[in-house]
Amino acid sequence: SQTIHQWPATLVQPVGSPLSLECTVEGTSNPNLYWYRQAAGRGLQLLFYSVGIGQISSEVPQNLSASRPQDRQFILSSKKLLLSDSGFYLCAKKDYEQYFGPGTRLTVT
Amino acid sequence: RKEVEQDPGPFNVPEGATVAFNCTYSNSASQSFFWYRQDCRKEPKLLMSVYSSGNEDGRFTAQLNRASQYISLLIRDSKLSDSATYLCVTQGRGTSYGKLTFGQGTILTVHP
Repeated sequence: SQTIHQWPATLVQPVGSPLSLECTVEGTSNPNLYWYRQAAGRGLQLLFYSVGIGQISSEVPQNLSASRPQDRQFILSSKKLLLSDSGFYLCAKKDYEQYFGPGTRLTVT
Repeated sequence: RKEVEQDPGPFNVPEGATVAFNCTYSNSASQSFFWYRQDCRKEPKLLMSVYSSGNEDGRFTAQLNRASQYISLLIRDSKLSDSATYLCVTQGRGTSYGKLTFGQGTILTVHP
């Protein structure tokens, strides 16, 4: 995870508040980037992936969105958080294999 | 039915034991296979890729049976530091964007 940076590490937000999680990566240009979520007691679920600047694909419908304003920057956002958005959010980068950042633990209260 | 199924465990073994984890996948188009380990409240870390011929990395051996859609991980001479959740992961053919499908994980605890 040393080449993938995520912040904040932990976050507690009230229901209905906005969200912005940031991921930046080092290394080769134009990497494939991913956002996953791991809810308590559940497996990892792919939320979004991006194959380039401005190119975002969503895997599951939800109140979250993603953006990729720069080659090595990937942002996860929400306008209004739900309780069900609580979880461990992981950014990942793909070379041949996928590597994960340290994650952001989000608790929606 | 889940795409990737694992026995959640927990497996509790003494140091020095040999332990094996199994995993089955339902998507016959799956192309690549991996084992990740995840420590408590940490990100998953790649343990090893799994190749059709089977492969070994130190105390860890991975096997793939495409006909049965079955993947295994064998850990020999278990160490306390092997305690973690082990995730079985597949990647589909043609998913150039690299979508991974994760199993729920198998919990391993190695005790003195």
